[in-house]
Amino acid sequence: SQQGEEDPQALSIQEGENATMNCSYKTSINNLQWYRQNSGRGLVHLILIRSNEREKHSGRLRVTLDTSKKSSSLLITASRAADTASYFCATGPGGSYIPTFGRGTSLIVHP
Amino acid sequence: DGGITQSPKYLFRKEGQNVTLSCEQNLNHDAMYWYRQDPGQGLRLIYYSQIVNDFQKGDIAEGYSVSREKKESFPLTVTSAQKNPTAFYLCATSGSGGLFYEQYFGPGTRLTVT
Repeated sequence: SQQGEEDPQALSIQEGENATMNCSYKTSINNLQWYRQNSGRGLVHLILIRSNEREKHSGRLRVTLDTSKKSSSLLITASRAADTASYFCATGPGGSYIPTFGRGTSLIVHP
Repeated sequence: DGGITQSPKYLFRKEGQNVTLSCEQNLNHDAMYWYRQDPGQGLRLIYYSQIVNDFQKGDIAEGYSVSREKKESFPLTVTSAQKNPTAFYLCATSGSGGLFYEQYFGPGTRLTVT
């Protein structure tokens, strides 16, 4: 069953703008991960945030986690056309090492 | 995608035929997984294996079978019992059964059954 749900389902922005996508989940988690998938390709791991962390950065990516609201956000700053992809959150439910994936947010960055 | 090979990239089969999808890894990872991806549905877990000669059913195992005879290989067979086999199939690995390990994905195999 899918626990994480991304919002919005689709996002279209201009190059240089920031892109924010959100993930909500239902049960307690050990960690939350974000992945990127280019069209027709496998997923690539972007960042993992543990349940005791509130914010994490990696290059132009910023991830926040609010366990009280059971939600996470992924911010991509100064978007580039190459950021066009689908972005998935994956939650690691308590007691399980197998992440559960959401349906993803499709991001299009127009040059 | 480095370190995980899935072949072929595209596969076409007639309805009623079994087909085996290959997944090979050179990352020395213990755990391997098979996911199915349909448009708008995200990833759904078919089978996973934490160690050689052992595997567990995921959320949608019906109509599929796997084997794990070697650490490097985790082939998936889509049997004729799978009612809607046309999909994008992704193989993944992770370093261990620990709670904080990320997954590494192969490039995927797109299976079309007509």
